[in-house]
Amino acid sequence: GQQLNQSPQSMFIQEGEDVSMNCTSSSIFNTWLWYKQDPGEGPVLLIALYKAGELTSNGRLTAQFGITRKDSFLNISASIPSDVGIYFCAGPAITGNQFYFGTGTSLTVIP
Amino acid sequence: NAGVTQTPKFRILKIGQSMTLQCTQDMNHNYMYWYRQDPGMGLKLIYYSVGAGITDKGEVPNGYNVSRSTTEDFPLRLELAAPSQTSVYFCASSNQNSWGGGDEQFFGPGTRLTVL
Repeated sequence: GQQLNQSPQSMFIQEGEDVSMNCTSSSIFNTWLWYKQDPGEGPVLLIALYKAGELTSNGRLTAQFGITRKDSFLNISASIPSDVGIYFCAGPAITGNQFYFGTGTSLTVIP
Repeated sequence: NAGVTQTPKFRILKIGQSMTLQCTQDMNHNYMYWYRQDPGMGLKLIYYSVGAGITDKGEVPNGYNVSRSTTEDFPLRLELAAPSQTSVYFCASSNQNSWGGGDEQFFGPGTRLTVL
């Protein structure tokens, strides 16, 4: 199956700092999705990207669909304690209906 | 709308026992999915369905079975539970996107399963 590798694996930052994380794939995607998972909950969609080069914002979150279609980036500005959680990139396979999730980036925000 | 609901929330099984994890959605989504999430890992797709009567294997289908007799329900069956199936199981549903595949997925709260 396709591999979606996320880096960094974990981050510990001070409240107010900006955060950057990325996701790379072994093959191309037509759609990139970024999810956040709070402890004990299911993932919740944050941002969806549908076109190579697209830059999309949702409040303090900004995500980009890489030009090569094999990567995507998520930035969080001015982090706050409720940003704590695990962030996953994800996307559907180009053909068929398989769906893949990345390995996750765990974010801890220190007040 | 209740969204995606899963039962039970927690379950402990003995090796060799069987059980069914229930999943129901009330959003009239065609697509439904079952994932497992092992500690500290991402989600792995077990099975998915693109509509009632249609199911297909995901990345890790061994040891599981599914059925989709209605749009709303997508139960996951474990026939002979093994310790390797200890995990958190998430059900999700989505509409079809413009390319014909699944769109944004909405997740249930998960079922924590331990096999001893």
